[in-house]
Amino acid sequence: AQSVTQLGSHVSVSEGALVLLRCNYSSSVPPYLFWYVQYPNQGLQLLLKYTTGATLVKGINGFEAEFKKSETSFHLTKPSAHMSDAAEYFCAATASGGSYIPTFGRGTSLIVHP
Amino acid sequence: DVKVTQSSRYLVKRTGEKVFLECVQDMDHENMFWYRQDPGLGLRLIYFSYDVKMKEKGDIPEGYSVSREKKERFSLILESASTNQTSMYLCASSPETDNQPQHFGDGTRLSIL
Repeated sequence: AQSVTQLGSHVSVSEGALVLLRCNYSSSVPPYLFWYVQYPNQGLQLLLKYTTGATLVKGINGFEAEFKKSETSFHLTKPSAHMSDAAEYFCAATASGGSYIPTFGRGTSLIVHP
Repeated sequence: DVKVTQSSRYLVKRTGEKVFLECVQDMDHENMFWYRQDPGLGLRLIYFSYDVKMKEKGDIPEGYSVSREKKERFSLILESASTNQTSMYLCASSPETDNQPQHFGDGTRLSIL
């Protein structure tokens, strides 16, 4: 079964600093990969997804993620953090060769300091 | 604007009660999902449905059942609520071309006393 590991349950950055949220998956073949964001008291929103093709994926709100097969990683980045980026972020991946319902990581809470 | 609506934001029930959580989507999506979200555990799939009257078990179906009599509505049922089912429940939907959930409701925070 697919597993997804998000390194760090909390990440703290200053406003204007680089945001880097880490995600690694366990599949031996390229899965489909996703990042979701959850703002306080809301459901999740799909930020971006990788299926095939270009390994650098751009999403909403200035976020992007790069699929690196050799590192089995799909880290999420944003060049300059805004206060409004403070939220919970979830990485998800599909299992290969079976159900395409994604498995979610445990989430990383992004804290943005003024 | 697309919408997934969960009938209650907060719900308090007692142990042993039969509990219904309702979810409605207005996007004519084929796929609907029920997740529970617990701190430090992320989201875990309870059930999903890819068509009316069709359902598939997810990772943690024990103690739950679902009903999809109409395309727009997907109900989660706790047959006999227990305290370990206290959690945040999230409903989601997606079109048949996408197996991953695209649109989520705002969640129902369920407390079982």
